[in-house]
Amino acid sequence: NAGVMQNPRHLVRRRGQEARLRCSPMKGHSHVYWYRQLPEEGLKFMVYLQKENIIDESGMPKERFSAEFPKEGPSILRIQQVVRGDSAAYFCASSPGANSPLHFGNGTRLTVT
Amino acid sequence: AQSVTQPDIHITVSEGASLELRCNYSYGATPYLFWYVQSPGQGLQLLLKYFSGDTLVQGIKGFEAEFKRSQSSFNLRKPSVHWSDAAEYFCAVEAGGGADGLTFGKGTHLIIQP
Repeated sequence: NAGVMQNPRHLVRRRGQEARLRCSPMKGHSHVYWYRQLPEEGLKFMVYLQKENIIDESGMPKERFSAEFPKEGPSILRIQQVVRGDSAAYFCASSPGANSPLHFGNGTRLTVT
Repeated sequence: AQSVTQPDIHITVSEGASLELRCNYSYGATPYLFWYVQSPGQGLQLLLKYFSGDTLVQGIKGFEAEFKRSQSSFNLRKPSVHWSDAAEYFCAVEAGGGADGLTFGKGTHLIIQP
């Protein structure tokens, strides 16, 4: 049973470009969470999704960031018009239910030049 | 809202020595508590969790943690560390329901000396 798959592992974008981060949850998991890890700040919750629904996006910046988890396919975290401050590691986690422990992917490291 | 404090940013331990990583949380009721480990270049791996019941929880890789309600703590311990334990360790709290995901501490970087 493959774990949570995130791709790409590393993503380099110039300022103003768009970044798309993909997350395929573990088989049987319908809950997906996105976290951002900034240096010396630990992990910050961004958004919680179930299939086709955003449950909680209280940690998402108000502009430029969006997330989706379609009926078919991976969850996508999209960052439009990236800025240097968006450089971070972005982790996706999945779980089979709301009260189950999370399983994390290996993350996508975004570098904005 | 819940919060998690890991007071030690870095800890250095000699190989074979015992280890204790501190974690304090703030929450009105009994939360769900977790320890995750992040090895270099890797994602996060769940070490152990506490939901209810026995306050001493056994995890993988020889780790254990003890929930102490009176101290609002959930410290991680290992009797004898190995060089492969060098990693970043995160304590996390979930206030039941899971709708907000987890709240993580800032992490403790564990360095193992030969």
